[in-house]
Amino acid sequence: GAGVSQSPRYKVAKRGQDVALRCDPISGHVSLFWYQQALGQGPEFLTYFQNEAQLDKSGLPSDRFFAERPEGSVSTLKIQRTQQEDSAVYLCASRYGNTIYFGEGSWLTVV
Amino acid sequence: KQEVTQIPAALSVPEGENLVLNCSFTDSAIYNLQWFRQDPGKGLTSLLLIQSSQREQTSGRLNASLDKSSGRSTLYIAASQPGDSATYLCAVRPSYAGGTSYGKLTFGQGTILTVHP
Repeated sequence: GAGVSQSPRYKVAKRGQDVALRCDPISGHVSLFWYQQALGQGPEFLTYFQNEAQLDKSGLPSDRFFAERPEGSVSTLKIQRTQQEDSAVYLCASRYGNTIYFGEGSWLTVV
Repeated sequence: KQEVTQIPAALSVPEGENLVLNCSFTDSAIYNLQWFRQDPGKGLTSLLLIQSSQREQTSGRLNASLDKSSGRSTLYIAASQPGDSATYLCAVRPSYAGGTSYGKLTFGQGTILTVHP
C-alpha cells in the first residue's frame, strides 16, 4: 500500500476485554515499531520487529501486552484484560533506511 | 536513560511571525534527531532529519539546527501560517550500541502550535 495502515482506527473496549490492533506496514519494509501515545504526551516505544523476529519488547508495559508479526509483514498488537490506563493511541511505524513512516494510529478507549 | 524535553509546551502566535521551538536531550550519544508534525487525529509526519554529524537542515520555511554536545535542537519556522498549526515533536535515535538500540526513537512531549489569522 501507499502508507502504513492501521485498524481499527477507533476502539472502545470494556474493562477486562481483550483487543487486537492490526498494522499493515509499507510493503518491503523490514523494520516495524509499535508506540503508545497517551493524551498530551509524545509516543513511547513498545516493541520492535525485524522481519518476523521480535528483537526488542522492552517497552511493553505488562505481560498483558503481546505483539506478533508471524510472516514478517502484518503485525498485531494484542492487549489482554484491558485496563483504563491502557487508553491511548497505538501507533505503528515501518522504516526503510533512515526514513520512518507512521500510521494514523488506533485510538483505544477503555471504559 | 535518554530524556527529551520540549519547550514551550504550547505556543500561540499571529500569522506571519517567525518562531522557534526548542528541544533538549540528556544523552548526546545520538545517531540522529528528527522533527515531526502531528495533526489532530493523525499520525506523525517527518519534517526534518539531522544526522549527528550535521549542524542543520532546511526544508522550505523550516530550519532545524543541532548542537549535539550541548544536547539541544531548535526548529525555526519562518513566516508562520494558520496551516502550520499542529503539534511538533522532536525525537532522538541513539547511536549504535551493540545492536541493542534497533533505532528506536525517544520522543519529547511535543509543542502545540496555534497560528491564528
